[in-house]
Amino acid sequence: KQEVTQIPAALSVPEGENLVLNCSFTDSAIYNLQWFRQDPGKGLTSLLLIQSSQREQTSGRLNASLDKSSGRSTLYIAASQPGDSATYLCAVSETSGSRLTFGEGTQLTVNP
Amino acid sequence: GAGVSQSPSNKVTEKGKDVELRCDPISGHTALYWYRQSLGQGLEFLIYFQGNSAPDKSGLPSDRFSAERTGGSVSTLTIQRTQQEDSAVYLCASSLVSRGGPVFGPGTRLTVT
Repeated sequence: KQEVTQIPAALSVPEGENLVLNCSFTDSAIYNLQWFRQDPGKGLTSLLLIQSSQREQTSGRLNASLDKSSGRSTLYIAASQPGDSATYLCAVSETSGSRLTFGEGTQLTVNP
Repeated sequence: GAGVSQSPSNKVTEKGKDVELRCDPISGHTALYWYRQSLGQGLEFLIYFQGNSAPDKSGLPSDRFSAERTGGSVSTLTIQRTQQEDSAVYLCASSLVSRGGPVFGPGTRLTVT
């Protein structure tokens, strides 16, 4: 059974810092990995999706890497801003269209 | 539509009542998913539709939970004889299976009193 773990569970940083969120998964036979953002009381917003054949994806200040063989992904946020404050979720799928298995999330607070 | 919509946004019901939650996926998205997010817990998969059929309903927690999808579009999640432990945010997502990942709706917050 696939299990996804995210570390740390919570993180508080001052504005402007670069930071890294970690995600690990137990079964390396994944189809893709996705990072989401969830604001309080809201649904999920997709940030980056990495196919299993890819090593990384970038969007603006966000960079996600994938090391499938070791079962790890990182989300790098550059020059953090208070608006980045949210819960960040990592999820993997094992086949095209199959369910996502989510981690518990990292709650990020960026202090002005 | 422009995104996935869910209704109602909030539902308060008494223990033992039945509830229906609705999901309108993005037009043309063939895959539809239901997840549940309980307070302090991660997202839990409930059921997956491809078109009108449900090849994976293994996440439904009990036979009080059922879901259907009609016309390859709208889906309804029904919870019968609600219990307090059913209180959660129910999230729906849709996708084009061959492209990209799922797009999530805003969720329905269900409170069972």
